[in-house]
Amino acid sequence: DGGITQSPKYLFRKEGQNVTLSCEQNLNHDAMYWYRQDPGQGLRLIYYSQIVNDFQKGDIAEGYSVSREKKESFPLTVTSAQKNPTAFYLCASSQERRTNEQFFGPGTRLTVL
Amino acid sequence: AQSVTQPDIHITVSEGASLELRCNYSYGATPYLFWYVQSPGQGLQLLLKYFSGDTLVQGIKGFEAEFKRSQSSFNLRKPSVHWSDAAEYFCAVGSYLSGGGADGLTFGKGTHLIIQP
Repeated sequence: DGGITQSPKYLFRKEGQNVTLSCEQNLNHDAMYWYRQDPGQGLRLIYYSQIVNDFQKGDIAEGYSVSREKKESFPLTVTSAQKNPTAFYLCASSQERRTNEQFFGPGTRLTVL
Repeated sequence: AQSVTQPDIHITVSEGASLELRCNYSYGATPYLFWYVQSPGQGLQLLLKYFSGDTLVQGIKGFEAEFKRSQSSFNLRKPSVHWSDAAEYFCAVGSYLSGGGADGLTFGKGTHLIIQP
């Protein structure tokens, strides 16, 4: 089955630690995205990548970093510089550059203790 | 910059009743519009999309939406809701990458649908 996987589903982190969230897709999509979701806030774009070895900041990139070394993988690192990292993180991918139709993974819930 | 407004944070509907969820957008060019549904703790599932052509689009699970350019709206409808429709619904607008700005979808803040027995 083609789709997007995110791991782990739940992640706990102590303050001051970096943590990396995994996102893998086997849809052969060129573009991948990371969103953050907070209650009542909708989804906000963190980073996106249109092609391997290239990525761009979204609206709330501060405190986050990404890499895109392979087409199918787009890991997100939440650094200790992120002031309020507790949130639900969603990864998405797209092959439609014109319409930007996106498909989403199941999400990772990060909790900072 | 584009924006999406979903005026209703919560909506309660009786099972079997009709449903309309409102979505208004602001976008300078022809918008690409989407409705997604999210169950608690899950990712987003695409319900339907509008790119061009017929302004009434059909989606999965019996949902439909109508694009009205004059009102900048893309409201989601269902003639008869089921208890399994209880979820969070998001309207989104897509932008064409034209050399600048973020290239993700712009989402509304969502409408939480509650189904009464």
